[in-house]
Amino acid sequence: GAVVSQHPSWVICKSGTSVKIECRSLDFQATTMFWYRQFPKQSLMLMATSNEGSKATYEQGVEKDKFLINHASLTLSTLTVTSAHPEDSSFYICSALRGRNEKLFFGSGTQLSVL
Amino acid sequence: GESVGLHLPTLSVQEGDNSIINCAYSNSASDYFIWYKQESGKGPQFIIDIRSNMDKRQGQRVTVLLNKTVKHLSLQIAATQPGDSAVYFCASGGATNKLIFGTGTLLAVQP
Repeated sequence: GAVVSQHPSWVICKSGTSVKIECRSLDFQATTMFWYRQFPKQSLMLMATSNEGSKATYEQGVEKDKFLINHASLTLSTLTVTSAHPEDSSFYICSALRGRNEKLFFGSGTQLSVL
Repeated sequence: GESVGLHLPTLSVQEGDNSIINCAYSNSASDYFIWYKQESGKGPQFIIDIRSNMDKRQGQRVTVLLNKTVKHLSLQIAATQPGDSAVYFCASGGATNKLIFGTGTLLAVQP
């Protein structure tokens, strides 16, 4: 089946630093990827839609200047949490859409802990 | 607004029993529904999906039922095993391919 690789799987950083998370579709091209955020014992909340070659579309309440998304190729999207603070600590998950109206394939997630 | 919610936050079953996890959605424009399984510290794992032109779909040990009249979705797991213990999410989508996730149900399988 389709594989989506997310890296790193966990990261600990100091408050004020920036963290980049990568999401790669390994065996298919993904024109659209999605970034989710999940707090403990809660559901996945969609943050933004990442479109290859164009600007990301952010959900209401998500700060685009804080969560920078770049989708420079058909197999890679990155999420950069800028000037991270403890309240940004969360589990971040990406997903990639294979083809149009096909299944979404999820990465394994990145646990971010901001000290 | 659009929402997908679950009736039961936790479900405890005995090994070998059948499990039924329920989900309600509110957006009548949703035409694609998916069940995911999520183990601790991992991303969601696809279980089964169903489109709105169907009311039942079966997989290996799992069945999804869709009742569009009352906007209700359920996941049935036959002969539940300890390895089925996880959080289960339903999600709904439409033409935008964006998925809206429900709140999740923790399935605990007792040996």
